[in-house]
Amino acid sequence: GQQLNQSPQSMFIQEGEDVSMNCTSSSIFNTWLWYKQDPGEGPVLLIALYKAGELTSNGRLTAQFGITRKDSFLNISASIPSDVGIYFCAGLSSGNTPLVFGKGTRLSVIA
Amino acid sequence: DTGVSQNPRHKITKRGQNVTFRCDPISEHNRLYWYRQTLGQGPEFLTYFQNEAQLEKSRLLSDRFSAERPKGSFSTLEIQRTEQGDSAMYLCASSLRQVREGGEQYFGPGTRLTVT
Repeated sequence: GQQLNQSPQSMFIQEGEDVSMNCTSSSIFNTWLWYKQDPGEGPVLLIALYKAGELTSNGRLTAQFGITRKDSFLNISASIPSDVGIYFCAGLSSGNTPLVFGKGTRLSVIA
Repeated sequence: DTGVSQNPRHKITKRGQNVTFRCDPISEHNRLYWYRQTLGQGPEFLTYFQNEAQLEKSRLLSDRFSAERPKGSFSTLEIQRTEQGDSAMYLCASSLRQVREGGEQYFGPGTRLTVT
């Protein structure tokens, strides 16, 4: 089946640093989504991308839909303690297929 | 709070028992999804309802699993003869439109199942 490979699996950064994580696939996706999940909660949508090459920002977060449609990245600028959590990418290959999620990147921020 | 709610939040059961979880979606959302999430993994799709019709089921949904959405509002997920491998977080999500149409799936807090 389709798989999304997220990297890195985990990262420890100092408060104020910028963060970059990415998601790749061997298959083409038509929609890329980035979610954040806090402990004991469900994922919350951060950014949705619908077109190849699209670059979208949401506050300190910026995500891009790769031109090949097989990858996406998420950047977080000037990290703060509340950025701690697990970040998931998710992809949709066609209108009637379910979302496929990556395994997540666990972010820890050291104050 | 008008978000997606799930009950119970935690369930511990012995192997072989049946369990049922409930999901109450956001009231105007006609689409409802169930996912399973195990430790260190992302959510995996189980099944999808549009109103009361179950339109899609994953191969992960074995014969021991059944989901219903009888009146197109709340949904239940039942697992019969639970096995230790069923231990996971079961997440419910709802949406007004499909993702490809710009719809957003809003997730509930999940039900954590532990099978002993």
